[in-house]
Parts: sequence; structure tokens; C-alpha cells
Amino acid sequence: AQKVTQAQTEISVVEKEDVTLDCVYETRDTTYYLFWYKQPPSGELVFLIRRNSFDEQNEISGRYSWNFQKSTSSFNFTITASQVVDSAVYFCALSFYNQGGKLIFGQGTELSVKP
Amino acid sequence: SAVISQKPSRDICQRGTSLTIQCQVDSQVTMMFWYRQQPGQSLTLIATANQGSEATYESGFVIDKFPISRPNLTFSTLTVSNMSPEDSSIYLCSVEQGANQPQHFGDGTRLSIL
Repeated sequence: AQKVTQAQTEISVVEKEDVTLDCVYETRDTTYYLFWYKQPPSGELVFLIRRNSFDEQNEISGRYSWNFQKSTSSFNFTITASQVVDSAVYFCALSFYNQGGKLIFGQGTELSVKP
Repeated sequence: SAVISQKPSRDICQRGTSLTIQCQVDSQVTMMFWYRQQPGQSLTLIATANQGSEATYESGFVIDKFPISRPNLTFSTLTVSNMSPEDSSIYLCSVEQGANQPQHFGDGTRLSIL
């Protein structure tokens, strides 16, 4: 089975708190890509990051960081010092090298950052 | 990344009618896709729009309901045919500029059927 699970449906934090969004995936393929997208209330889908299955290095981009662990099939996303503008639905997604680019999305986590 | 223009941004349609959504990219791209996002739900791939040939549909989606055209490497259309209230969704096109590059999305079309 090929599947992405985002167990957290909604998260609410207060501004400046750190927050981690969980993503667990299932696949038997050895070559795949993992993604995070942000969907703010305006509705557009914004690409945040892509990792391939051979690169387990964690990545940091400003207040965003990603932790990829193949041993637990997880690709978690942490926002440090959250801001109100981070309020959005965040989607984790999976694609495969030999499947023509099809993205399999998780159900999304709605993050609400309150002032 | 490519600039993706999707039109219309939103529409309210009558039951039984059809609507064609356009996706225009400012540069040639290898792959174009159409996704559906039902209210409060995640995104589901409808089909891959193939340039010069019939689209490749995912399970549960058929050409008669969602005809797709892709006449060149920068443009595609999705038609939602014989609409019913269950078709009320956001429809998004996405593009891949090169093999195994990240997909980038248009702003989506919010469709409501009365």
C-alpha cells in the first residue's frame, strides 16, 4: 500500500511557540520523494520542500525544519517561533520515480496560530 | 518556478451544466496534472494531461465526466460535465517543469453547483 498519514487533524498554538507536524508514510518502493505543501486560507498550494528517499539529511530553512527518518517512515515538519501568518493547512505528500509524478497526499493538518 | 494561471478562479453553476477550467503556464513543462479537493478534504489526482494524446485517468475518474485537453506544452483544460452538487470542489492544476521536479500548483478554481 502507498499511503500518507497525518494523524493531527488540527493544532492550535500561541504565537512564538514551536510546533511539529507529523507525517508517516507507507511504501514498499525504495525510490520515492516526500513533500510538504502549505495551503493558506486563500486556497493556493505552496510548495515548501522535497526530499528524495536517499537523502536523510535534515533540512533547515529559516524557521522551518524537516526531520526525515526512514527507520520510522516519518517526515516531520517543525515550525520554530510560530507566527500568525503560519496559520494554514499543511499537507505531506509522496510520489514515486516511476509513476509519472502522481502525488499521494495526506489528509492535512490545520494549524492555527493565535496572537 | 513557472507562473501558473488558472481561470476562472471561482464559479457558481447550475446543476446539469458543464464548465471548462483553463490552466496556462508561462513556460513549457513536461507534465501537467489535474487534482480535485472536496470541501475540507485532501487533494486527489484526477488525471495526467498528456500533450498530443488522451489523458491518463485515475481510478474513479472517467473521460466522459472530466474531459481534458492538452494541445501544447503550456496549456491544458479540464471540463467538469453534467455537474451535480457533489462536484462542488476546488479544482487545481499542477505542473512539473522537468523529470522528477517538484510539482507547483495553480491557485485553483472554486466551483459551487446549485
